[in-house]
Amino acid sequence: EAEVAQSPRYKITEKSQAVAFWCDPISGHATLYWYRQILGQGPELLVQFQDESVVDDSQLPKDRFSAERLKGVDSTLKIQPAELGDSAMYLCASSPVDRVGPESGYTFGSGTRLTVV
Amino acid sequence: AQTVTQSQPEMSVQEAETVTLSCTYDTSESDYYLFWYKQPPSRQMILVIRQEAYKQQNATENRFSVNFQKAAKSFSLKISDSQLGDAAMYFCAYGGAGNKLTFGGGTRVLVKP
Repeated sequence: EAEVAQSPRYKITEKSQAVAFWCDPISGHATLYWYRQILGQGPELLVQFQDESVVDDSQLPKDRFSAERLKGVDSTLKIQPAELGDSAMYLCASSPVDRVGPESGYTFGSGTRLTVV
Repeated sequence: AQTVTQSQPEMSVQEAETVTLSCTYDTSESDYYLFWYKQPPSRQMILVIRQEAYKQQNATENRFSVNFQKAAKSFSLKISDSQLGDAAMYFCAYGGAGNKLTFGGGTRVLVKP
């Protein structure tokens, strides 16, 4: 069964340092999402890509967060500098569609748990 | 903006019994989907069941079924014949324009043997 790959699985970093997460979506999925899930809460959308283009980054803290999907396949989410409040699970998901319909819904990766100390 | 509310932080159920998880949502869109996702301790979100808003018939997937009340904007999940493997966080999610998902805060399900 096809999976969304994410790495690393865990990351511990000191505040003010830079950190990056990687995601490889299911082959052929044009739409890719990054979500942040604070412990005990539901995921919140950070950024949505359609192929290599950003569709929605309205909730992305752009002063410190950046995301790219250069060739429209895998994606990297970066935080620089990391703050204590960035400690969370970062989830990547992909979908074959970017609109509501019979194929709505995502396949999620296993996530990267970030701890900022 | 859409909001999703899960009012039960935690639910406990005896093995083989039934448990119902509540979810309400708010939207002004007419075309949308609703989902229940399961997140076990291993963390990966797994789709449990999906409901199209235009369908009046409630979705079912084996032991999982929903009660979709569109006018009340309510979307509850019933887990029948609960099994130990059902223990997890369950998230209700709304899928609207752009196929973006808005999640509720989650309900932790504990299954007692």
